Amino acid sequence: DAKTTQPNSMESNEEEPVHLPCNHSTISGTDYIHWYRQLPSQGPEYVIHGLTSNVNNRMASLAIAEDRKSSTLILHRATLRDAAVYYCILRPLIQGAQKLVFGQGTRLTINP
Amino acid sequence: GAVVSQHPSWVICKSGTSVKIECRSLDFQATTMFWYRQFPKQSLMLMATSNEGSKATYEQGVEKDKFLINHASLTLSTLTVTSAHPEDSSFYICSARRTGYEQYFGPGTRLTVT
Repeated sequence: DAKTTQPNSMESNEEEPVHLPCNHSTISGTDYIHWYRQLPSQGPEYVIHGLTSNVNNRMASLAIAEDRKSSTLILHRATLRDAAVYYCILRPLIQGAQKLVFGQGTRLTINP
Repeated sequence: GAVVSQHPSWVICKSGTSVKIECRSLDFQATTMFWYRQFPKQSLMLMATSNEGSKATYEQGVEKDKFLINHASLTLSTLTVTSAHPEDSSFYICSARRTGYEQYFGPGTRLTVT
């Protein structure tokens, strides 16, 4: 499985934007970039995913570098509820390769 | 949206006994279900993948005779931890996926073996 690298932890203030980086220098052309987050004592929650173009949804935006070797999850206006561990995961598009393999993720702390 | 439930949410059992955890997809049919384990302060570790009506595929290092997985229908998978020991105490999380869609996770089951 292609590997991702994320900072262990990040800290931000409430109502400010947060940029969570992810490096995936060994990404292949058919790998989708997925982001999940896990709030304390809960199962992971889908945030966003993309392949080449930047993506936006109600939760966040995903900015993908032109060479696809890195990406950034953007929370436009952080709230205390966004405090969680954020996981950047690569998942191949090919049939049958369905499983998500989690790395260590980034623990995001939001200060009031 | 897609909802995955787990039951029980927490369980305490004595060493040597077996415990069953259920995972249900409530509003969709899951072609594939996954079981993860998570120790405190660590990431999720995939234990096994199961397709409805087929035997589960276990990840390397996971004992299939200890962690029995049954995926009898498109909405239900069960994980049975047999002869549980204190080192099996963990947070067990299932997820479910239907073809072409995202993977949705359950809320997790906290198992404590005394």
